[in-house]
Amino acid sequence: AQKVTQAQTEISVVEKEDVTLDCVYETRDTTYYLFWYKQPPSGELVFLIRRNSFDEQNEISGRYSWNFQKSTSSFNFTITASQVVDSAVYFCALDSGSARQLTFGSGTQLTVLP
Amino acid sequence: DAGVIQSPRHEVTEMGQEVTLRCKPISGHNSLFWYRQTMMRGLELLIYFNNNVPIDDSGMPEDRFSAKMPNASFSTLKIQPSEPRDSAVYFCASSPRGGSGNTIYFGEGSWLTVV
Repeated sequence: AQKVTQAQTEISVVEKEDVTLDCVYETRDTTYYLFWYKQPPSGELVFLIRRNSFDEQNEISGRYSWNFQKSTSSFNFTITASQVVDSAVYFCALDSGSARQLTFGSGTQLTVLP
Repeated sequence: DAGVIQSPRHEVTEMGQEVTLRCKPISGHNSLFWYRQTMMRGLELLIYFNNNVPIDDSGMPEDRFSAKMPNASFSTLKIQPSEPRDSAVYFCASSPRGGSGNTIYFGEGSWLTVV
């Protein structure tokens, strides 16, 4: 069975603060893929990143960065210098071969206050 | 490039009516997915197709739900008869290939309210 846990239901920060969204996953597969999606208030689901289980390098894309640690089964997402437009629900998801589908966490509602 | 296109964006219907949601996947993508999002259950996979063939429909809640993919560029999700508990956001998504690890791109969703 595979599972994704996003323990933070809601986070509120003030603009320009850094914020980290936690994601912990469970799978027995050795090959798997992790994703982050953003769901802004308008409702669409926007793909942010995909990472496979063999690549533990951290990734940075502008103000976004991701920390993948297999030892703790975590794939955390950090937004640096947050902006109001970052306000959204962020979903972490796991795709492992045995499950043949994308399993989503429950999401973290991020609110960035001006 | 056009993304996944869904229609209608919003639908309000009365209990017992038939509802048809439509989806056009990204051109060239071979896999298509229907997801449902509710507050109680989050995002759950209803069915997915690979090369127009249904591969896994174990997530379809009951016989009132059916999905078709007559060709590579069109799919429908039908609910007949609809019930208030079907109220949710229904997402269609596509990916370039079947199998694990391919990025899934979502449409904007169809917001269904059954009264």
